[in-house]
Amino acid sequence: EIVLTQSPGTLSLSPGERATLSCRASQFISSGYLAWYQHKRGQAPRLLIYGASTRATGIPDRFSGSGSGTDFTLTINSVEPEDFAVYYCQQYGTSFGPGTKVEIK
Amino acid sequence: QVQLQESGPGLVQPSQTLSLTCTVSGGSISSESYFWTWIRQPAGKGLEWIGRIYNTGATNYNPSLETRVTLSVDTSRDLFSLRMTSVTAADTAVYYCARTRNYFYNGYYYYYTDVWGKGTTVTVSS
Repeated sequence: EIVLTQSPGTLSLSPGERATLSCRASQFISSGYLAWYQHKRGQAPRLLIYGASTRATGIPDRFSGSGSGTDFTLTINSVEPEDFAVYYCQQYGTSFGPGTKVEIK
Repeated sequence: QVQLQESGPGLVQPSQTLSLTCTVSGGSISSESYFWTWIRQPAGKGLEWIGRIYNTGATNYNPSLETRVTLSVDTSRDLFSLRMTSVTAADTAVYYCARTRNYFYNGYYYYYTDVWGKGTTVTVSS
């Protein structure tokens, strides 16, 4: 069973700063298997990135994904107020990482 | 576009069976390249994948839950269902149904969950 680890657990940023979120898999996964989601309290999660680096429909280009093998990264260039949320990675459409909370500094 | 809606009791007694249904609208549950998925989030915790079912009835389950979980699909009514037995307070959570897309393109298989229901809160308590 593949385990996903995310770091940091919490990221405190001011609007306009850059966010770098990490997702590490316990073993190799194909890039096509890796997706990122944004989750705000009281809402359903929202798909941001699939295939490790492809933005989903309607996702602003300040969100980008990269990585391969066991190490993947979600970057938010110039965080906007609406970006403060919890971010999860998922592999193979199954298990999720524990999440990274992006909070206002 | 496709929309998903969860339905079922909001309160379940300990040791009883939790049953939820997800109705698919705006599309067919028989469409190729999609799994139909259940995910939950206990209060204050992260997302937990429960399992998924294909329109043929083929299933995959979270190993930690599979002894208690059964998924089923009704293609004639475009809905799929979750049944979880012997529930405890630890099963109290927001339960989401979702659509997971799966396809092969340019040398890679892709899996991602692109449509979610709004979620329904299930509390296990006497």
